[in-house]
Amino acid sequence: QSVLTQPPSVSGAPGQRVTISCTGSSSNIGAGYDVHWYQQVPGTAPKLLIYGNNNRPSGVPDRFSGSKSGTSASLAITGLQAEDEADYYCQSFDSSLSGLPVFGGGTQLTVL
Amino acid sequence: EVQLVESGGGLVQPGGSLRLSCAASGFTVSSNYMSWVRQAPGKGLEWVSVIYSGGSIYYADSVKGRFTISRDNSKNTLYLQMNSLRAEDTAVYYCARNFCSGGSCYLYYYYYMDVWGKGTTVTVSS
Repeated sequence: QSVLTQPPSVSGAPGQRVTISCTGSSSNIGAGYDVHWYQQVPGTAPKLLIYGNNNRPSGVPDRFSGSKSGTSASLAITGLQAEDEADYYCQSFDSSLSGLPVFGGGTQLTVL
Repeated sequence: EVQLVESGGGLVQPGGSLRLSCAASGFTVSSNYMSWVRQAPGKGLEWVSVIYSGGSIYYADSVKGRFTISRDNSKNTLYLQMNSLRAEDTAVYYCARNFCSGGSCYLYYYYYMDVWGKGTTVTVSS
């Protein structure tokens, strides 16, 4: 059971907008820790997608955006493309775990 | 080019040991926070350990007392020594550079994992 809760799967048609939630608690996201997002295409290594709640590394399309409010965070993907089909993980830190990193369980995105 | 390359994975019996290596290029391991993250077959990501640039070390409870993270500055390489291995340690092990782009970079919780290796597979089975 992950400390951060994500929906197991989401789907959308090409061109649509999808969001992936990441629900935490007062000991992690709600404590003010930043949330980061990683994209993992099956069979490959994770890749940093969003850092510091809403910042994109160089090379990540602006179709990807992140937000955080209270004890939750969200990843939004607009203009869905076939290449976005992947697993997405949120990550933060948790004070009840000595302030060490925690990941969400991951969300599988299917582009219909 | 900034790159991480893991090696050392393989098949090991329960109770056995294995040492993973992570060779870095394009940056200096000892000047960065470096982590190991693992992924069991069909499962999500699990943070395993971190070594700070200053040398502080932390572990997940699931591996504490059995795994040891270290680095060799002369080889610019990160290591993970894994002892007393269990079936539940079976996973792909990734090394990752931790980066901080803000001002409070003396606190670990401002860091994120910006560069990842391709991973090395560890299978613990008799």
